[in-house]
Amino acid sequence: QKEVEQNSGPLSVPEGAIASLNCTYSDRGSQSFFWYRQYSGKSPELIMSIYSNGDKEDGRFTAQLNKASQYVSLLIRDSQPSDSATYLCAVSLTGANNLFFGTGTRLTVIP
Amino acid sequence: KAGVTQTPRYLIKTRGQQVTLSCSPISGHRSVSWYQQTPGQGLQFLFEYFSETQRNKGNFPGRFSGRQFSNSRSEMNVSTLELGDSALYLCASSLGGARDTIYFGEGSWLTVV
Repeated sequence: QKEVEQNSGPLSVPEGAIASLNCTYSDRGSQSFFWYRQYSGKSPELIMSIYSNGDKEDGRFTAQLNKASQYVSLLIRDSQPSDSATYLCAVSLTGANNLFFGTGTRLTVIP
Repeated sequence: KAGVTQTPRYLIKTRGQQVTLSCSPISGHRSVSWYQQTPGQGLQFLFEYFSETQRNKGNFPGRFSGRQFSNSRSEMNVSTLELGDSALYLCASSLGGARDTIYFGEGSWLTVV
């Protein structure tokens, strides 16, 4: 049974639209939640971390966490072609040093 | 500030051989984690070392091992290579706290033939 589930996509949105990425996790003990972006052929880079229920905003990005529903999402407002990448959801029972990743959602922003 | 450095970047090995991959963390970082990335399984956690001790371990067979040196540099070793070990191996470093950001290296691409 997978621990972290994401729709593999691809998800296509027009430039300027909102992209919504979703992730569910199976372990109710998960404490830390992360969104990473990975461009093709590159290593993952952290976009957002979230630890408590609710929303967390950083620029065009908003992460949402609902521990009761075991659900975490990432919204990207005013999507740009440069946002085209694979977005990886990661969770951890403890902290950032041992992460369980979803298989990622490929996002394409169409100019 | 130099990032996480992994060597070698690309290598090809034969089934049954062993391989050692190296990772130099960002200066000051004491935690080094290793991940395997494949198209089918995605990113999977191998293990994490902190101050020369394995602190966390993923669900990989004993053929996968690692160590960390006093300068925080880390190596991982895969013995008796199988075709399925072909993957991108990523190293990540952090200060080691639960909420410290981890930074990934560019990875080592391993192909087993």
